[in-house]
Formats: sequence, structure tokens, C-alpha cells
Amino acid sequence: GNSVTQMEGPVTLSEEAFLTINCTYTATGYPSLFWYVQYPGEGLQLLLKATKADDKGSNKGFEATYRKETTSFHLEKGSVQVSDSAVYFCALSGYTGTASKLTFGTGTRLQVTL
Amino acid sequence: EAGVVQSPRYKIIEKKQPVAFWCNPISGHNTLYWYLQNLGQGPELLIRYENEEAVDDSQLPKDRFSAERLKGVDSTLKIQPAELGDSAVYLCASSGGDEQYFGPGTRLTVT
Repeated sequence: GNSVTQMEGPVTLSEEAFLTINCTYTATGYPSLFWYVQYPGEGLQLLLKATKADDKGSNKGFEATYRKETTSFHLEKGSVQVSDSAVYFCALSGYTGTASKLTFGTGTRLQVTL
Repeated sequence: EAGVVQSPRYKIIEKKQPVAFWCNPISGHNTLYWYLQNLGQGPELLIRYENEEAVDDSQLPKDRFSAERLKGVDSTLKIQPAELGDSAVYLCASSGGDEQYFGPGTRLTVT
């Protein structure tokens, strides 16, 4: 079956540091890949996505590239801010019928300090 | 455009009591999902609806959990009776295509 593995947190960084959160996946076929972010007390928000190999998703300074050869979708940001502190979830979609079924990783908590 | 609405946001009940959660999806979204999120974990799918039909309920513990989406719009998830291990966040999401949009969730505490 499909599965997603994320690096364990928390990841603690100083403001303006470079961020990498690793994500690897196991899936049949060619899933779409997603990063969701969950701020304290809120629901999950889609951060970025990529639908095929070598696609790069980007949003709010975050980037991730769909690497089929390494089955990875690592999240990066060049300069983090305190406001980026949240839990980040990597996910993949396996289509069943007309809608996608998401499989999530366990999440990685990011703490950014001044 | 309004997002996915869930209520209540928080619920505290004693074990063995019933509880219900309500979700109103984004207008026009035919697909509705209920997820369970335990502390420190990613969401896990409980049930997926296409309009009013439950097309994937394989992960729903049917001895105590039930769900309905009678008119293909809003949905209710019920637990009866609740157990201590049901304490978690219950998330609702909706989709009109490839992307899912999540509500803020209902945090359930069973004492």
C-alpha cells in the first residue's frame, strides 16, 4: 500500500536559517504529492503540490521537487521566519474513482526562534 | 468563498456518552471526507462520500461510529458510545477535484 515517511521533529531553527524537511514515499503508479501546513489550533492548509515527476511546487518561499528516482519530495525554504512555526505534513494521493485518497506522513514540527 | 465549516470546535464528554460532529463542505464540492487525527500523527481517513454515497468506509469502526450525508451536502459523524481512546481531532475535508480543503477540526476529549 501507499505510505509516506517524514523526518521526525521538532526541527528548531533560528530566523533566516535554511530549512529542509525530508519526505519519502512508497506508492503504486504515479501519485500526486503534497505538503500541508497546520498552524496551532487550525486545520490543514495546502502549501504546495506537484503532480508529476520533476515538477516543482512552490508557495510562500517554500519549494519541493517531485523526484521519482529517489521517491522523495523534500520541503525547502531559503530563509525561515518565526511565522513559519507550524507542523508540516507530506502527503500523496492515490486516485480511487474520481477523487483522491490522501495518505499522510506523521508530520514534522518546525519551531523558528529569533 | 467560505471554507469548510465544522462544529463544535471543542467537545468534552464522559466515556459511554454519545457525541456528534457536523461538517458543511465548500459549496459545490461533491466529495466529503472525515479524518481522525491523533496527537502527533497525520490524519487518517475514516470515510469518504461522493455526494450522498459512502464510497470508502473501510477504516470506520462501525460498531460505534456512524456517519451520514443525507442530501449530499453537509454531513454528521457520530460516536456512540464514546471511549477514552476516541480522544482526538476529527477533521472534515471536501474536494471538487484533486485538492482537498480541510476544516478547523473538532477536538474531542473523552474523560
